Amino acid sequence: NAGVTQTPKFQVLKTGQSMTLQCAQDMNHEYMSWYRQDPGMGLRLIHYSVGAGITDQGEVPNGYNVSRSTTEDFPLRLLSAAPSQTSVYFCASSYSKSSGSLYNEQFFGPGTRLTVL
Amino acid sequence: AQKITQTQPGMFVQEKEAVTLDCTYDTSDPSYGLFWYKQPSSGEMIFLIYQGSYDQQNATEGRYSLNFQKARKSANLVISASQLGDSAMYFCAMRVLRQLTFGSGTQLTVLP
Repeated sequence: NAGVTQTPKFQVLKTGQSMTLQCAQDMNHEYMSWYRQDPGMGLRLIHYSVGAGITDQGEVPNGYNVSRSTTEDFPLRLLSAAPSQTSVYFCASSYSKSSGSLYNEQFFGPGTRLTVL
Repeated sequence: AQKITQTQPGMFVQEKEAVTLDCTYDTSDPSYGLFWYKQPSSGEMIFLIYQGSYDQQNATEGRYSLNFQKARKSANLVISASQLGDSAMYFCAMRVLRQLTFGSGTQLTVLP
C-alpha cells in the first residue's frame, strides 16, 4: 500500500492564481480530511469528507473548495490564492466515518508546502 | 467549541530520562478521543497513542503512556527512557464527532 499520497510536494503561486492540491489513498478509508499547518498554530481542519459525495467544512474553510467523487481521491482547490494561504497542507484519511466511533487514527500524507507571493 | 492547550512550547530532556508533555482539553461533549502525534523535522505526522473518554485505564504503547485525568481534563504524554530520535514536535489532539482539533505543539529536544 502507498498509504496517503499528496502532490505536489512544493508549489509557488502568485496572488490570484488557482490550483488543486491532490490527495489519494489506497486503504479504502471512508473518512478523509485536509489540514493546514502554520508556525506555532498546530494543524487546523479545512474540510473533511465521510464518503464519496459527502463533504463538510472544518475550522478554516474560507478560500478552499473540495469534492469527493471517489473513495480514493479528495482534492483541495484554492480558488484565488492569497498570501495568507501560505502554509503546509496535510491530507489525512482514517477507517471510521461514524461519529459514534471515537477511535480514529488518521494516516497523514507527507504534506504540500505552498507559498503564495 | 473544542480546545486543546499545550503550554510548553519547548522542552529539554537528558537522554535515557523520562519526560512529560502537558496537554489540557476543553469540551462539553462526554464522548471524545485523545491522540498524540509526533512530527520530526522531516515533517511527517506519526500517530503515537490514543485514549478514549470512556476508557478506564491509561493507554500505553511501548515507551509512550498517556496520563489521563478526566476530572482535570488533562491528557499528558509520558515518554520513558528518552532517545535522541525522540527529538521532534509533539501534538496533542482531540476528536469530537467528526472533527479533530490540534494543540499548538511542544518541541522536544533530547540531549546526549
